[in-house]
Amino acid sequence: DAMVIQNPRYQVTQFGKPVTLSCSQTLNHNVMYWYQQKSSQAPKLLFHYYDKDFNNEADTPDNFQSRRPNTSFCFLDIRSPGLGDAAMYLCATSRGGVTYEQYFGPGTRLTVT
Amino acid sequence: EDQVTQSPEALRLQEGESSSLNCSYTVSGLRGLFWYRQDPGKGPEFLFTLYSAGEEKEKERLKATLTKKESFLHITAPKPEDSATYLCAVPPRTGANNLFFGTGTRLTVIP
Repeated sequence: DAMVIQNPRYQVTQFGKPVTLSCSQTLNHNVMYWYQQKSSQAPKLLFHYYDKDFNNEADTPDNFQSRRPNTSFCFLDIRSPGLGDAAMYLCATSRGGVTYEQYFGPGTRLTVT
Repeated sequence: EDQVTQSPEALRLQEGESSSLNCSYTVSGLRGLFWYRQDPGKGPEFLFTLYSAGEEKEKERLKATLTKKESFLHITAPKPEDSATYLCAVPPRTGANNLFFGTGTRLTVIP
């Protein structure tokens, strides 16, 4: 089955220790998104790639970076995690821009100690 | 300002008790309205896309409808497995890619 896969599902890191979250897709979609979702809140878009084009949201902290080495994979790097970065991180893909439905992975729950 | 508002925040239903969830939006020039289901600790699961007023889509016990100001997700004879948070989202009016999500309705269906 075509899908969006995120690894790991749970990640614990220490305050200030860099961490990388991984997303892969078998849908061959052009667009890959990274969202942050805190408890009882709506998902918040951090950035997305349209093919190789990187698009950062204006209010995404510099602490968050992303890489997309090929169509299938996308990574979220948090350079110096703070306690406020503890959240669920969701990867999503779509065929095109925001007028197309997005397919989400299961998420990575990040805990910062 | 473009906005999406969902109501109620939480809804408890007895199994078999039909109801509706509301998503109202203020985006002009709607380019699609999306409904997702999200189970605790999981990513949202795509349910429906609606593009124009009067459009309806159905899937099992769920039916989504769209007017010029709002969308409804009707749940007919719900079962406990329908318990989840239901999110709606719309693209902004401008060319930006920040999909506006509502904060969701948390549905609990009691056996």
